[in-house]
Amino acid sequence: DTAVSQTPKYLVTQMGNDKSIKCEQNLGHDTMYWYKQDSKKFLKIMFSYNNKELIINETVPNRFSPKSPDKAHLNLHINSLELGDSAVYFCASRNRASGNTIYFGEGSWLTVV
Amino acid sequence: EDKVVQSPLSLVVHEGDTVTLNCSYEVTNFRSLLWYKQEKKAPTFLFMLTSSGIEKKSGRLSSILDKKELFSILNITATQTGDSAIYLCAVEGVRAAGNKLTFGGGTRVLVKP
Repeated sequence: DTAVSQTPKYLVTQMGNDKSIKCEQNLGHDTMYWYKQDSKKFLKIMFSYNNKELIINETVPNRFSPKSPDKAHLNLHINSLELGDSAVYFCASRNRASGNTIYFGEGSWLTVV
Repeated sequence: EDKVVQSPLSLVVHEGDTVTLNCSYEVTNFRSLLWYKQEKKAPTFLFMLTSSGIEKKSGRLSSILDKKELFSILNITATQTGDSAIYLCAVEGVRAAGNKLTFGGGTRVLVKP
């Protein structure tokens, strides 16, 4: 069973559309993240949730809104998609208290045309 | 702002060669440094380093941290074509609002037969 799973894996959409990417982890972790990896392969943190509470919110446009219905899920909704939003979005999770390493999902490849 | 710089950006070697990847960092309240290997999809965990001078080994890979000079190296000996990947270094900084993982831009390694 996949530990951190994201859907969809691939998404091609037009500018101006609204889309969501879903993430689920079955590791029992208490902290989840969204990272964006651009064409230059830089992985940058966008959001972090601990026990459904937002704890890190980097400088990200308001068009990006995370939602955590429970500890095992962290979804990312993007409004009014722009060309520059094209990237790979990685969900990740860890157990904050134990300091274990962070586990990544396989990524969601978003292309805005 | 936390910063992680990796070098070289890319390198090409032949099977059997040894490669050394560098990672230097600036981080507030350092907690750990992590190395990841990214092939086609999700980054996969290699090492977590928290103490200076203690080498971690896993097969042909090894890594060491120097907290005084603020850098780490990742060595791969007797390289194989399967070692071709992007190697990512990340540092974790402790923050009241929640620890943050900052990634470097990666080193792209290509191992030729």
